[in-house]
Amino acid sequence: GENVEQHPSTLSVQEGDSAVIKCTYSDSASNYFPWYKQELGKRPQLIIDIRSNVGEKKDQRIAVTLNKTAKHFSLHITETQPEDSAVYFCAASKNDMRFGAGTRLTVKP
Amino acid sequence: DTAVSQTPKYLVTQMGNDKSIKCEQNLGHDTMYWYKQDSKKFLKIMFSYNNKELIINETVPNRFSPKSPDKAHLNLHINSLELGDSAVYFCASSQDSGTGRAEAFFGQGTRLTVV
Repeated sequence: GENVEQHPSTLSVQEGDSAVIKCTYSDSASNYFPWYKQELGKRPQLIIDIRSNVGEKKDQRIAVTLNKTAKHFSLHITETQPEDSAVYFCAASKNDMRFGAGTRLTVKP
Repeated sequence: DTAVSQTPKYLVTQMGNDKSIKCEQNLGHDTMYWYKQDSKKFLKIMFSYNNKELIINETVPNRFSPKSPDKAHLNLHINSLELGDSAVYFCASSQDSGTGRAEAFFGQGTRLTVV
C-alpha cells in the first residue's frame, strides 16, 4: 500500500518567516494530495490540495508543489503568523487516504 | 448540520470491556474511514468502506470490527479493550471523484481511554 513520509517532524519559525514542509509517497498511482491542519484538540481540516495533473497551486499565503516524477510534494507557508501554529499533515490518495506522520509548526511572535 | 458526527466524544472504560463508537455523515459521500491517532499524533488508517463494502483492512487486531448498516454510517466496535487502544479515533468521509478520492471530512474525534 501507499507509504507517505513527512519532514520535518517539528519546525519552529519566527513570525513573518516562511515555512516549508516536505512529503514523499511511494505509490505512483496516487493522484490526490491534500494537506491538513490540526489545531490542539481539534479535528484535521483541509487547507489546500493538489491533483496529479497540476504542478503547483496557491491560495493566499499557502502554496503546494508536486513533482510526480520524484514522487514528492511540499507545502509552503509565507509570512507566517502565530495562528499558523498547529500540526500539519500531508496525505496521498488513490483508493484510500494515507497520511504522513505530521509536522508540528510553531510560529514565534 | 454537522457534516460528520461521531459519538461519544469521550469514552473511559476498563480493560477487557467491549465498546462501540458511532459515526454518521450527511454529505452523501460513498467512502468512510476510521483513523487512529496516538499520543504522537500519527494518523493511522484502520478501515475504509466504499458503498458498504470493506475495501481496506489495515493490520489492526481483529478485536476491532467496522460495521456499516448503510452508506451514511460506519460504526467501530472494539472487543476486549487493552491499554494500548487508548487514543483518539477519527471517523472521516470522502466522495469518490471517479478517478480517485477527494477531500476527507473528519468527525470531531472520540478520545478513548482504557484504564
